[in-house]
Amino acid sequence: QQQVKQSPQSLIVQKGGISIINCAYENTAFDYFPWYQQFPGKGPALLIAIRPDVSEKKEGRFTISFNKSAKQFSLHIMDSQPGDSATYFCAASSGSARQLTFGSGTQLTVLP
Amino acid sequence: DAGVIQSPRHEVTEMGQEVTLRCKPISGHDYLFWYRQTMMRGLELLIYFNNNVPIDDSGMPEDRFSAKMPNASFSTLKIQPSEPRDSAVYFCASRDGQETQYFGPGTRLLVL
Repeated sequence: QQQVKQSPQSLIVQKGGISIINCAYENTAFDYFPWYQQFPGKGPALLIAIRPDVSEKKEGRFTISFNKSAKQFSLHIMDSQPGDSATYFCAASSGSARQLTFGSGTQLTVLP
Repeated sequence: DAGVIQSPRHEVTEMGQEVTLRCKPISGHDYLFWYRQTMMRGLELLIYFNNNVPIDDSGMPEDRFSAKMPNASFSTLKIQPSEPRDSAVYFCASRDGQETQYFGPGTRLLVL
């Protein structure tokens, strides 16, 4: 199966709080898991990505946690800021073409 | 580099008309992807090219949709005839030998 399931659909967080978005996949052939950030009127842009050989990757306030046995991965945004308000998509890919299968997206709103 | 360039940014047309969306990938990128984004179905991969050759068009919804890539710097997505249910944002993305796909700003299509 190619589906990637993402939750929640929407998330409201206070400034300074932690935002957590979860994704799950079925296809064990997936070997690359990026998160994309999309602002209104813009195309998605890569935020952070992880491979299944590591359980965590951190870049600034953004962290991916990866659980290979559970086939789940999540994005944590620490010290969330109003500027982080956007739609976040998890994705997964495999093979030489690296075509992405996207989750359904999470609309994050960070209140000032 | 200017990034992935798409035109037009907005298109309003009437049902039955032909619509042509254009994409200029990032120079040196040998993969080009066309996506469609709707509220109901999220981000869907329509077709992708490698070195100007269509590799997988299984995501193209109907025969009304066609895509070409006559050279490394230009691709088109054509809908003929267009229908109201084709209304969506269409994204073009490109990548090189690395894994990151770079998305264009999208074309917002409205079919009346």
